[in-house]
Amino acid sequence: DIQMTQSPSSLSASVGDRVTIACRATQGMRNSVAWYQQKPRQAPKVLLYGASKLESGVPSRFSGSASGTEYTLTISSLQPEDFATYYCQQYYRTPYTFGQGTKLEI
Amino acid sequence: QVQLQESGPGLVKPSETLSLTCAVSGGPMSSSSNYWSWIRQPAGQGLEWIGRIYVSGTTHYNPSLQSRVTISIDPSKNQFSLSLRSVTAADTAVYYCARNAEYYESSDYKYYYYMDVWGKGTTVTVSS
Repeated sequence: DIQMTQSPSSLSASVGDRVTIACRATQGMRNSVAWYQQKPRQAPKVLLYGASKLESGVPSRFSGSASGTEYTLTISSLQPEDFATYYCQQYYRTPYTFGQGTKLEI
Repeated sequence: QVQLQESGPGLVKPSETLSLTCAVSGGPMSSSSNYWSWIRQPAGQGLEWIGRIYVSGTTHYNPSLQSRVTISIDPSKNQFSLSLRSVTAADTAVYYCARNAEYYESSDYKYYYYMDVWGKGTTVTVSS
């Protein structure tokens, strides 16, 4: 299985901050990575796929990048509604696997 | 606008079979080039992918659950289902269904599938 190691596991930030969350994969995956946002008692919501393609309707302050086996989610200017848990996920090979999650707190 | 809705018993006894259905609305499953997945999340923990199915019936399962899982599809009813046998307390979780949308990656000339639409989830507790 492809393992996704996500960091940090938690992050404290303020409105307006720029934050970065990283995922490292155990093998190359041709950018087959998605990022999800999950709020309490809600289903995950996709933000990005293909490592850097913004899902329709998602604000442009969310962006993604890839370098080798490292994938990064950046939020350019945190808004109050962005405080949530974020997951990376690879879909290059089954079984699909997720990172452990990053809880973004105020 | 495609929507997914999970349904099934919220309580299952140990050693019995967990059965859930995901109803798809907003478009026919049979006309789409999508996979359909099940994912679960124990309380306070991360996400675990269970498996996926194509409209043709082709399935892929997580090896960690493969011996106990069956995913089936009924395009005529626009739904797909999950069956998990011999459950234990470790199977207690919120279960989600999701559509795996297809897109073409021109950089390597391949089609990929990512989970773009999710149901709201249903909580299943395994307890006697």
